[in-house]
Amino acid sequence: EIVMTQSPATLSVSPGERATLSCRASQSVSSNLAWYQQKPGQAPRLLISGASTRATGIPARFSGSGSGTEFTLTIISLQSEDFAVYYCQQYNNWPPFTFGQGTKLEIK
Amino acid sequence: QVLLQESGPGLVKPSETLSLTCTVSGGSIINYYWSWVRQSPGKGLEWIAYAYNSGTTSYSPSLKSRVTISLDTSENQCSLKLTSVTAADTGLYFCARTSSRSHFYFDNWGQGTLVTVSS
Repeated sequence: EIVMTQSPATLSVSPGERATLSCRASQSVSSNLAWYQQKPGQAPRLLISGASTRATGIPARFSGSGSGTEFTLTIISLQSEDFAVYYCQQYNNWPPFTFGQGTKLEIK
Repeated sequence: QVLLQESGPGLVKPSETLSLTCTVSGGSIINYYWSWVRQSPGKGLEWIAYAYNSGTTSYSPSLKSRVTISLDTSENQCSLKLTSVTAADTGLYFCARTSSRSHFYFDNWGQGTLVTVSS
């Protein structure tokens, strides 16, 4: 099973600034990585697939990069609605599909 | 707009069987992959299983011995059964859709149904 590790667990950033979230895989997942955003009381929402392709309707301030074992989600010009928990998920080697434990992005 | 709505008993006793249903509206379940994903404080998001076109299934190795997933194309529903539940099975259970087997991310999710295992 591929283990996904996200860092940091909590990230405090001021509105308008940039946030950089990391996700590491225990072995290569190529570019088969997705990012999700989850707000309290809501389901996860797909942001990024294929490590860098934004899902339909996702603002351009969200970008993903990386391949192999190291991935990054960058959010520029943070808006109030961006403060949430973010998860990465690999779909290269399965079963099972595995998720990281999440990074909570909070207002500084 | 395709909507997913999970339903279930809410409370299940230890050792009993949990049964959940995901009802899909606004589109057909045919030719899509339908998964159950659960979320608990201790284990985060955990994929459980998927089903496709009533004949293809895949299970998480850690849960495979206790889980059955199925599709009812006439009712446009996906169902999950989890046997011999314990407190560790407590959590929020989501139904989620995948469009492509080669790119198995989840592009549509239900709101989830909360399951508590307790006597």
